[in-house]
Amino acid sequence: KAGVTQTPRYLIKTRGQQVTLSCSPISGHRSVSWYQQTPGQGLQFLFEYFSETQRNKGNFPGRFSGRQFSNSRSEMNVSTLELGDSALYLCASSLYGLAGGGETQYFGPGTRLLVL
Amino acid sequence: GENVEQHPSTLSVQEGDSAVIKCTYSDSASNYFPWYKQELGKGPQLIIDIRSNVGEKKDQRIAVTLNKTAKHFSLHITETQPEDSAVYFCAASVGTSYDKVIFGPGTSLSVIP
Repeated sequence: KAGVTQTPRYLIKTRGQQVTLSCSPISGHRSVSWYQQTPGQGLQFLFEYFSETQRNKGNFPGRFSGRQFSNSRSEMNVSTLELGDSALYLCASSLYGLAGGGETQYFGPGTRLLVL
Repeated sequence: GENVEQHPSTLSVQEGDSAVIKCTYSDSASNYFPWYKQELGKGPQLIIDIRSNVGEKKDQRIAVTLNKTAKHFSLHITETQPEDSAVYFCAASVGTSYDKVIFGPGTSLSVIP
């Protein structure tokens, strides 16, 4: 079956702009999580959506937001971009969002965002 | 909160040799320990995981051991192959939600043919 897909794969923006990233989970998966990956901070959890509701949120400012649609596809938005937002943004999907609950979380290839 | 340390940050081995990556965690309540492999240009991929009620788990050439008393766990890769070259992340989690999964900083493994 098809894996997690993310679009676009690469993006260049300037400070102050906003950006929307898209994620299509594996068919049947209802949980979608977003992560930010940087060389300095590593892999950090942004938020998780389940059945169109944000269920968990990481320690990121309100400029980072997301949503999930009825078909489980998800988008994340970053407003007023800062240089420090340059990162690889990863989306991951799983059946129910239960870490260690016998399910596997699958990651997409990520969207590489560069803020100039 | 939970903190996960990982060593070494880089590791080079000859093809066929074994590779060991070690992680320590701070929260004694952590009960789930996954390991991920991230190849260049790809997202992390779960390769093996272990729960706190198990001391060791093996899957072909990969094994993970857990020492709850010392709060450390290790990944062992035997008979390494060039395709094992990647960045490996350990993680520890308290509870079952993904926001509680804390990742280590990663180990870049190079397998030299």
